Amino acid sequence: LAKTTQPISMDSYEGQEVNITCSHNNIATNDYITWYQQFPSQGPRFIIQGYKTKVTNEVASLFIPADRKSSTLSLPRVSLSDTAVYYCLVGDDSGGGADGLTFGKGTHLIIQP
Amino acid sequence: NAGVTQTPKFQVLKTGQSMTLQCAQDMNHEYMSWYRQDPGMGLRLIHYSVGAGITDQGEVPNGYNVSRSTTEDFPLRLLSAAPSQTSVYFCASSSNRGGAKNIQYFGAGTRLSVL
Repeated sequence: LAKTTQPISMDSYEGQEVNITCSHNNIATNDYITWYQQFPSQGPRFIIQGYKTKVTNEVASLFIPADRKSSTLSLPRVSLSDTAVYYCLVGDDSGGGADGLTFGKGTHLIIQP
Repeated sequence: NAGVTQTPKFQVLKTGQSMTLQCAQDMNHEYMSWYRQDPGMGLRLIHYSVGAGITDQGEVPNGYNVSRSTTEDFPLRLLSAAPSQTSVYFCASSSNRGGAKNIQYFGAGTRLSVL
């Protein structure tokens, strides 16, 4: 599983766009990039997944450059309820893969009024 | 659709006691896993399974056993509880088909205290 590096914490304000970058220099050809959100006292929740270029859903966008050695989770117009820990996970998403899925330390995002 | 169900939600044990944390999913997912999360820390993988009858160790397997006799259930057994096992335990599942293995669905967690 590719090792990931994220900032430990970030601060922002309501209404701002927040970008959280994850480095994964040894990403493999079959690896996908997946982001999770975790609120206190809850299990992580899937946000978005991508392989290359840009992916957008109703919650966030994910930007992946051509070399795929990093990725950026973009949260548009954040609110106080976006305060959470965000995890970047990189791994082989092909069917039949037997590796365990491991999480890094995540980024604690704090949104202020 | 219940998703991933963990029981119990809270448990207090004395050192040396044993217990089983239950996890059940109703999504017919092949892949299931157990994580522990200590206060202020990330998730650490304990054990995982890619299908019924197949289990493997994660990052921190010592002191825990698992079995996977059915697709739906993946219980985690603490053999002889120690204070170091005080943590929140999360069970997760995902489909091992169609490129969705990394999209895991998590249970609500079991908060375990070992005195």
